[in-house]
Amino acid sequence: DAKTTQPNSMESNEEEPVHLPCNHSTISGTDYIHWYRQLPSQGPEYVIHGLTSNVNNRMASLAIAEDRKSSTLILHRATLRDAAVYYCILRDNYGGSQGNLIFGKGTKLSVKP
Amino acid sequence: DAGVIQSPRHEVTEMGQEVTLRCKPISGHDYLFWYRQTMMRGLELLIYFNNNVPIDDSGMPEDRFSAKMPNASFSTLKIQPSEPRDSAVYFCASSPLGQLNTEAFFGQGTRLTVV
Repeated sequence: DAKTTQPNSMESNEEEPVHLPCNHSTISGTDYIHWYRQLPSQGPEYVIHGLTSNVNNRMASLAIAEDRKSSTLILHRATLRDAAVYYCILRDNYGGSQGNLIFGKGTKLSVKP
Repeated sequence: DAGVIQSPRHEVTEMGQEVTLRCKPISGHDYLFWYRQTMMRGLELLIYFNNNVPIDDSGMPEDRFSAKMPNASFSTLKIQPSEPRDSAVYFCASSPLGQLNTEAFFGQGTRLTVV
């Protein structure tokens, strides 16, 4: 029960922007939107998270819809090293029994040179 | 900090044997998670702890699986007896929890093969 919906796969060309969508229509008021990615043969790694406002960090940007029912992870210039499975996850950052971190199927991003 | 440390990295065992996977979380993290990953089922959450207390073990597949966290710096996942269908990569992760400080860090995983 991942509570998010993502496309199974996407393709991008190297050095072009990539927009990875995620739908989370049942999001609650205390759910934060988290993105992780998993490179081949590695454990998942954190990418970014946000609540309502758009967020930027050195890896990516996160655009959150005004109603919070969807979000988009933006990689500004895809590189071959960005080829990975990207997971969109809802997590209640206020803790307690809601602090779990459940992964769905994710989106497998392929980057072509 | 060396990150989340899992051991062993690889384990090959015979069906019916007991297997113990170990995890050392990052110091100061409140949450510890155990996951199993297979091609068929993806990344499944087995159990997670908050301040050493198991919060949700609904993902543990059977009574053959058990997990403990005797203190804040150590956790084990035990399978007894092991079966070939338990073959998978098992990940441990730890995280703090807060509005800003919430990144979960994953270990390198233990690749378990039961023959």
